[in-house]
Amino acid sequence: SQTIHQWPATLVQPVGSPLSLECTVEGTSNPNLYWYRQAAGRGLQLLFYSVGIGQISSEVPQNLSASRPQDRQFILSSKKLLLSDSGFYLCAWSRLAIDNEQFFGPGTRLTVL
Amino acid sequence: KQEVTQIPAALSVPEGENLVLNCSFTDSAIYNLQWFRQDPGKGLTSLLLIQSSQREQTSGRLNASLDKSSGRSTLYIAASQPGDSATYLCAVAGSSNTGKLIFGQGTTLQVKP
Repeated sequence: SQTIHQWPATLVQPVGSPLSLECTVEGTSNPNLYWYRQAAGRGLQLLFYSVGIGQISSEVPQNLSASRPQDRQFILSSKKLLLSDSGFYLCAWSRLAIDNEQFFGPGTRLTVL
Repeated sequence: KQEVTQIPAALSVPEGENLVLNCSFTDSAIYNLQWFRQDPGKGLTSLLLIQSSQREQTSGRLNASLDKSSGRSTLYIAASQPGDSATYLCAVAGSSNTGKLIFGQGTTLQVKP
């Protein structure tokens, strides 16, 4: 069976500090991978998606970036965090070639102070 | 641009009641529609996936319908239980090869014992 992991689970960072969130998927190959952010009262917003290694598409202009160094690894980064980067970050995967059902990880709660 | 709306934003019902959650979308050219459940502070759990060619899907006490022409989906929960209390989100994937989901704001359900 497939599982998706995210870490860390929670993170408190000062403004201006760097960020690295990691997502890994087990039990599948060549998944589509997605990063979403859920801010209070604003619903889920797609930030990045990837259809393959090294292939990243950005949905929203911001100071975040994403990378996919391996087939089942997706990383969300920032060089300098802003207060507005606080939120709940969710990673998801899907098999577009099958049915595109998306499965989500447990999320990372990021608080920028 | 696809927009997804969920009504009502919040719902409180007594245990045992049957209920319907509504989801509407503005662009009928969808690839599929997915219903999720989210418990506070947790990731999303996939409940039902309806492909664009399907009219409904069922899982246990849950039944989801899709009417593409009118841009609507409903999630029917039979014999509600306190354990059903959560936020329910619907999301649509556009007819492209990316699998990206556009989410509604969710309906927060409380089932009272």
